Amino acid sequence: DAGITQSPRHKVTETGTPVTLRCHQTENHRYMYWYRQDPGHGLRLIHYSYGVKDTDKGEVSDGYSVSRSKTEDFLLTLESATSSQTSVYFCAIGGAGNYGYTFGSGTRLTVV
Amino acid sequence: AQKVTQAQTEISVVEKEDVTLDCVYETRDTTYYLFWYKQPPSGELVFLIRRNSFDEQNEISGRYSWNFQKSTSSFNFTITASQVVDSAVYFCALDNAGNMLTFGGGTRLMVKP
Repeated sequence: DAGITQSPRHKVTETGTPVTLRCHQTENHRYMYWYRQDPGHGLRLIHYSYGVKDTDKGEVSDGYSVSRSKTEDFLLTLESATSSQTSVYFCAIGGAGNYGYTFGSGTRLTVV
Repeated sequence: AQKVTQAQTEISVVEKEDVTLDCVYETRDTTYYLFWYKQPPSGELVFLIRRNSFDEQNEISGRYSWNFQKSTSSFNFTITASQVVDSAVYFCALDNAGNMLTFGGGTRLMVKP
């Protein structure tokens, strides 16, 4: 059991269309995160959640929204996808100082 | 604000060579955690180590070792007798206990047979 799963694993979408990525955890962690990975930038935080319905912006939040209606699910939405949002997206759980972080397997998103 | 710098974007070595990956960080907090992750060609992020700011002891795990020096704000990672399976991108990251992990840009290590 992976503990954290992302879906879909790969997606190709057209510019201007909405896209939702899903992160699901079975660890009952309070904190969940969305990162994007781009060459030369490492991973950058998009949004994070510290509880159901409690979310906050990260470093690169423009163009993204998130929702967390249940402890186990954290959704990332691109309201109107652009080519600059082509990236690999990682979800993570953990943090809060005394914990490490566990990452999902990633979602490769291509916006054409 | 916190920042992590991995100045080496790409390193190429021949198998069995030792290699050190540099990591320099910036933070104003006195309590923080430092991490190293490995990202093999398959793409997943593999946790290697977590070190808190109050523990400056160096750590060794098999062929891997880590040198944490607060005086120079560095947390360097050494692979001894490198192997082809060590080829990957390695990330250093900082958590200031504010629940936000900041990554360096990564170092791509290529180990040639």
